[in-house]
Amino acid sequence: KAGVTQTPRYLIKTRGQQVTLSCSPISGHRSVSWYQQTPGQGLQFLFEYFSETQRNKGNFPGRFSGRQFSNSRSEMNVSTLELGDSALYLCASSLDSGQETQYFGPGTRLLVL
Amino acid sequence: GESVGLHLPTLSVQEGDNSIINCAYSNSASDYFIWYKQESGKGPQFIIDIRSNMDKRQGQRVTVLLNKTVKHLSLQIAATQPGDSAVYFCAETSYGNNRLAFGKGNQVVVIP
Repeated sequence: KAGVTQTPRYLIKTRGQQVTLSCSPISGHRSVSWYQQTPGQGLQFLFEYFSETQRNKGNFPGRFSGRQFSNSRSEMNVSTLELGDSALYLCASSLDSGQETQYFGPGTRLLVL
Repeated sequence: GESVGLHLPTLSVQEGDNSIINCAYSNSASDYFIWYKQESGKGPQFIIDIRSNMDKRQGQRVTVLLNKTVKHLSLQIAATQPGDSAVYFCAETSYGNNRLAFGKGNQVVVIP
């Protein structure tokens, strides 16, 4: 089976712009979670989607949003980018929403200038 | 690894020796724990997991120990190899919840 894929792998944006990141989960996986990774804060949970519904949300401002499609693919959007949004954004998928093992993609490296 | 930031604890180990990585978790309600390995430029890779009804679980060259009394988790790697050089994270979550809370990470450097 192919693993979790994320596109694009690298992205450079300027402050004030918005960005959309994409994640394709492992085939058959219905839960997709997003995490932000920075050297200072480590890995932090953004949100989780299951069956096209947001099931859980972390402590991030409303500028961070996401959605999931019927084929379980997910996107996350960050609006009005700030310098502090520079990070590695990781997507993880699992079979369902009940403590199944989460498998991570390679991440999208976002640099905000 | 991506979390090689300020003051990341580092364990230097000779190739062939055993490694022990420790993690103190924060939530006494957590009942599912996972160890991930992250190599530079890659996403976290699942190593092994353990549920709270167990105190030890073994995989291939790895063992996870769970002490719920003191909220402590450890990962033991037997016969450490150069390919084990990475940042290792523990993660915790509670029943029915896919929201993982990660530790800060431990850098393991294997000396050939």
